Amino acid sequence: GNSVTQMEGPVTLSEEAFLTINCTYTATGYPSLFWYVQYPGEGLQLLLKATKADDKGSNKGFEATYRKETTSFHLEKGSVQVSDSAVYFCALLNTGGFKTIFGAGTRLFVKA
Amino acid sequence: EPEVTQTPSHQVTQMGQEVILRCVPISNHLYFYWYRQILGQKVEFLVSFYNNEISEKSEIFDDQFSVERPDGSNFTLKIRSTKLEDSAMYFCASSDRLTQYFGPGTRLTVL
Repeated sequence: GNSVTQMEGPVTLSEEAFLTINCTYTATGYPSLFWYVQYPGEGLQLLLKATKADDKGSNKGFEATYRKETTSFHLEKGSVQVSDSAVYFCALLNTGGFKTIFGAGTRLFVKA
Repeated sequence: EPEVTQTPSHQVTQMGQEVILRCVPISNHLYFYWYRQILGQKVEFLVSFYNNEISEKSEIFDDQFSVERPDGSNFTLKIRSTKLEDSAMYFCASSDRLTQYFGPGTRLTVL
């Protein structure tokens, strides 16, 4: 079946550090891939997405590239800010599917 | 930018009571969903809804749960007889088939 695995947290970084959150997936067909972010006390916000292999999604300085050969969609940011502290969820939506499959989430703490 | 809205933001209820969680999806979307997130855990799919019927549901979505689109704008989740383990954040989502957009959630607390 379809599944998403992402690195366990929490991840603690200092401001301006480089961020990588690893995400790998298992899916039949050709899924679309997403990163959602959940700030403290809030809902799920779409951060970025990629719909086919080699696509790069980007938003607010975050990037992720859809790698079919490694079934990965790692999230990166060159310089994190305190305001990036949140839980990040990797997710997939399979072709013709009705449900988004989420990873377990990775909590990020950024210290000033 | 259009967004999914949910009411109430927080609902407290006694075990055994019925609750209805309400959602207003993005206006031109045709696919609607409910998910839940038990505190500190994964976001789990409950049900999807299209063309006035359930498209897919998970094993969590048992006979205690039902969904309805009572008019052209609202999408509701009803839990008939709440249990303690129904305490969670419930997210509504709507999609244009390519991407699902989530509401801010309703936190349900069952006492």
